[in-house]
Amino acid sequence: DGGITQSPKYLFRKEGQNVTLSCEQNLNHDAMYWYRQDPGQGLRLIYYSQIVNDFQKGDIAEGYSVSREKKESFPLTVTSAQKNPTAFYLCASSIRVLGEKLFFGSGTQLSVL
Amino acid sequence: AQTVTQSQPEMSVQEAETVTLSCTYDTSENNYYLFWYKQPPSRQMILVIRQEAYKQQNATENRFSVNFQKAAKSFSLKISDSQLGDTAMYFCAFMKPSNFGNEKLTFGTGTRLTIIP
Repeated sequence: DGGITQSPKYLFRKEGQNVTLSCEQNLNHDAMYWYRQDPGQGLRLIYYSQIVNDFQKGDIAEGYSVSREKKESFPLTVTSAQKNPTAFYLCASSIRVLGEKLFFGSGTQLSVL
Repeated sequence: AQTVTQSQPEMSVQEAETVTLSCTYDTSENNYYLFWYKQPPSRQMILVIRQEAYKQQNATENRFSVNFQKAAKSFSLKISDSQLGDTAMYFCAFMKPSNFGNEKLTFGTGTRLTIIP
């Protein structure tokens, strides 16, 4: 079955530690996205990538980094510079057609120890 | 920058009744797309319905329909014959096209809908 796989489902970070969230898709989609969801707020865009080896900052990119070395994979690193990392992180992908919907993964809940 | 406003943080309705969730947005664009996504307790985001701004006809998907008022920049979602499985967070989202294909989605803060048995 085609879809988007995010791992792990739950992740804990210690102070000063970098952690990486995995996102893999087998939908053959060119575009991939990372969103952050906090309680009482909508989804906010962290980074997005329209094509391999290219990515753009979203609205809240500070303290995060990404790479897009393969079409299927778009990992997100939460660095120690992100002072409030506790949130639910959603990865999404889509084909590059105007107005096409986004497909979402099942998310990763990141908490600080 | 585009903004999306959902003014109803929470709503509840009896099973089998009809409920309308409101959404307004702010943009200077003429061509764009609007979406309603559902997030049930599993937290999986599921597309409910999609509307192209250049189409005057309101989109419908079974029990779900929208009232799209372009001049008023309003995009409400109507759920008819509500079911227990409709209990979820509902997010309104806006997308404007770019030269590269898809543009990013901008989301509202969501409405938590509870269907009461």
